[in-house]
Amino acid sequence: SQQGEEDPQALSIQEGENATMNCSYKTSINNLQWYRQNSGRGLVHLILIRSNEREKHSGRLRVTLDTSKKSSSLLITASRAADTASYFCATTTDKSTFGDGTTLTVKP
Amino acid sequence: NAGVTQTPKFQVLKTGQSMTLQCAQDMNHEYMSWYRQDPGMGLRLIHYSVGAGITDQGEVPNGYNVSRSTTEDFPLRLLSAAPSQTSVYFCASSTGTGFYGYTFGSGTRLTVV
Repeated sequence: SQQGEEDPQALSIQEGENATMNCSYKTSINNLQWYRQNSGRGLVHLILIRSNEREKHSGRLRVTLDTSKKSSSLLITASRAADTASYFCATTTDKSTFGDGTTLTVKP
Repeated sequence: NAGVTQTPKFQVLKTGQSMTLQCAQDMNHEYMSWYRQDPGMGLRLIHYSVGAGITDQGEVPNGYNVSRSTTEDFPLRLLSAAPSQTSVYFCASSTGTGFYGYTFGSGTRLTVV
């Protein structure tokens, strides 16, 4: 069964707006990672947050982790058309399991 | 620095045929894994390996075999292809179990007819 589940399944915004997507999981984890997948391509690692961290930033990306609620969020600020992609969270214990992803569409 | 290389990129098989999907990495990563991605879905773990000579099953191992004789290579064998195995297959590697994130190959798109 899937460990991480993303919400929403699909998100459509205008260029310049912020995009927030969430990930919930069921069991204790070592870390949580976010990946981007452009259509027909492989996944690209965006950011990793460890279980003892609460927030992490990388450029226009901000990730939070709430281990008490078993949830994480990915915020993309000032979105661009090039951010259009599917975004996946992966939770890691002794192996990593992925959710079904959030499909983000950024309209110019 | 090639990263993770998967071959072939595309493959069509007939039901019952067998084949091997190749995966090679040049980053000296201990951890390697195989995932399948069905249309509109996330990735499901098939098999993984924490080092040469060590493999273990993931969520959906049935119908697939793996071996890890070297650090660099982690081939995935389909024993008797079925239409349900039509999918895109991704190989990924990392130092340790995703402690620094995974590097993914570009995928093999497999169709079983």
